[in-house]
Amino acid sequence: EAQVTQNPRYLITVTGKKLTVTCSQNMNHEYMSWYRQDPGLGLRQIYYSMNVEVTDKGDVPEGYKVSRKEKRNFPLILESPSPNQTSLYFCASSSQRQAGNTIYFGEGSWLTVV
Amino acid sequence: GQNIDQPTEMTATEGAIVQINCTYQTSGFNGLFWYQQHAGEAPTFLSYNVLDGLEEKGRFSSFLSRSKGYSYLLLKELQMKDSASYLCAVRDRASGTYKYIFGTGTRLKVLA
Repeated sequence: EAQVTQNPRYLITVTGKKLTVTCSQNMNHEYMSWYRQDPGLGLRQIYYSMNVEVTDKGDVPEGYKVSRKEKRNFPLILESPSPNQTSLYFCASSSQRQAGNTIYFGEGSWLTVV
Repeated sequence: GQNIDQPTEMTATEGAIVQINCTYQTSGFNGLFWYQQHAGEAPTFLSYNVLDGLEEKGRFSSFLSRSKGYSYLLLKELQMKDSASYLCAVRDRASGTYKYIFGTGTRLKVLA
């Protein structure tokens, strides 16, 4: 089954404690991305990657890091989480080879930073 | 710049038809997508338009006018389960890379 898997789904952590949200896709997609979704602000892109070892900042990259060492994985790293990073996070992937290919989303990760 | 506008909230009655509008501004338009998102869940794909005109898929249709930077999603025979947020998204191609830009979503309430 084609899917994007992210973990953890739910996490409560404390300010300053480094954490990583993993993301893996099994569709051999070149493009992967991280979004955060906050009430009234919609989906905002944090980082994206066009392929292995190629990453770029999205609209709200501050406080986040990513890496793309393998095609299937795209972890999101919060080196020193702060309460304003409390949000719902989505990982997504897409093929860039086919016109009209949609973006597939993971189930989301609810992160609370206290 | 890049911008997507859609109404914040709409209400309709079960069995009715509702049209959700979306206007966009982008420099490298490469397709428009509509997604449905139930509260707390991931967005799911509904439709895709890259050429002008209407795309129909069951109870859902989507229209695009590239010259006007305008799209709409039409939902027919509304059901209670259609209560959700509907996201308009544009794929923008600039400098050889793709970027998906999402609107803030239209929250649709279907009343019995």
